Amino acid sequence: AQSVSQHNHHVILSEAASLELGCNYSYGGTVNLFWYVQYPGQHLQLLLKYFSGDPLVKGIKGFEAEFIKSKFSFNLRKPSVQWSDTAEYFCAVNAIGNNRLAFGKGNQVVVIP
Amino acid sequence: DGGITQSPKYLFRKEGQNVTLSCEQNLNHDAMYWYRQDPGQGLRLIYYSQIVNDFQKGDIAEGYSVSREKKESFPLTVTSAQKNPTAFYLCASSINSPNYGYTFGSGTRLTVV
Repeated sequence: AQSVSQHNHHVILSEAASLELGCNYSYGGTVNLFWYVQYPGQHLQLLLKYFSGDPLVKGIKGFEAEFIKSKFSFNLRKPSVQWSDTAEYFCAVNAIGNNRLAFGKGNQVVVIP
Repeated sequence: DGGITQSPKYLFRKEGQNVTLSCEQNLNHDAMYWYRQDPGQGLRLIYYSQIVNDFQKGDIAEGYSVSREKKESFPLTVTSAQKNPTAFYLCASSINSPNYGYTFGSGTRLTVV
């Protein structure tokens, strides 16, 4: 079964600081990888996704993620955060052939102005 | 605009009562999903359906039931057998597999009083 681990559930940063959120999954086969974001009071929306090709994926709002197959990881990064990046971030994995996404427990990120 | 509509946004239920959460999509997606979101636990899959008149249990199906009589509708019933029903419930849909990611509804917050 596929599972997803996200560490450091609560992250507090100042504006302009760099952000990196870790995501590790447990599945030996081919996977599709996603990061979703949930802003306060809003629904979950897709931040970026990886299917194949360049392991460095760029998403919306200056976010990027790098797929490292040997480490089973798909870490999310942003070089300089803004107050508006305050949100909860979820990593999700779909093992090819499986009919569902598995989500991590999320990272609650608070950016202080 | 295409999307997923969940209703109601807030729902209160007395202990021992069944309650049904609505989820409707006009995206022509084949697959639909119900997740439960609790603080610090991420999203946990309750039920999912890939085609009309067919659905499968997810990881925490006990105390819940669903139906899929129409492609655009996937209602979730929280029964009195669900021991801890107070939570935020999210409905999602995808083109016939989750490989392309999900589109999420805005959620229903259920509180048992």
